[in-house]
Amino acid sequence: QVQLVQSGAEVKKPGDSVKISCKASGYTFTNYYVHWVRQAPGQGLEWMGIINPSGGVTTYAQKLQGRVTMTGDTSTSTVYMELSSLTSEDTAVYYCARDGKSVVINYYYHYMDVWGTGTTVTVSS
Amino acid sequence: DIQMTQSPSSLSASVGDRVTITCRASQSITSYLNWYQQKPGKAPNLLIYAISNLQSGVPSRFSGSGFGTDFTLTISSLQPEDFATYYCQQSFTAPRTFGQGTNVEIK
Repeated sequence: QVQLVQSGAEVKKPGDSVKISCKASGYTFTNYYVHWVRQAPGQGLEWMGIINPSGGVTTYAQKLQGRVTMTGDTSTSTVYMELSSLTSEDTAVYYCARDGKSVVINYYYHYMDVWGTGTTVTVSS
Repeated sequence: DIQMTQSPSSLSASVGDRVTITCRASQSITSYLNWYQQKPGKAPNLLIYAISNLQSGVPSRFSGSGFGTDFTLTISSLQPEDFATYYCQQSFTAPRTFGQGTNVEIK
């Protein structure tokens, strides 16, 4: 079945970096972009960026520019998200999500149709 | 960035009730609007894409409508498994912003 399995929980100190993995299975990895979305405790969903695993082209949320790096490894069907210079405000559950697409009346529509298992990142001194 | 504003932020309803959640975009997103359901401790789940297209496996009691800047998610007859938080999200342009969420609670 189609699934995205993420790496385990992380505890980091302020100023550290964290790198989370998201391993895809059950579909052709290079055919779908992958989003990263995070959710702070008790808060809503925040889009972080998107990567095309085939070629590595990325688009990041402006507020994270310079701190976030998304990469992909087609040999292992895995995408990675690295966030640097962590602060307590980066404490959140981080999700990867597949960018699904459908054609409706001759237009392509995109959505997040498969979500990862989630990775909790706690930043604390 | 396109701002997505949902209302209400929370609501209480009973099983069998008809529930409506609205989502407003700060500029036109035509029909690039998706809805997700999230239960506590779980990843979000896609319900509807492109305003009104049900994702495979989603019950027909869920429906969506709207265009441009104003959108609605309707649950025709609320079921026990529908108590959750619902998010709208625009896929018109990056960043792919979400609404702040609507928590549907049991009355």
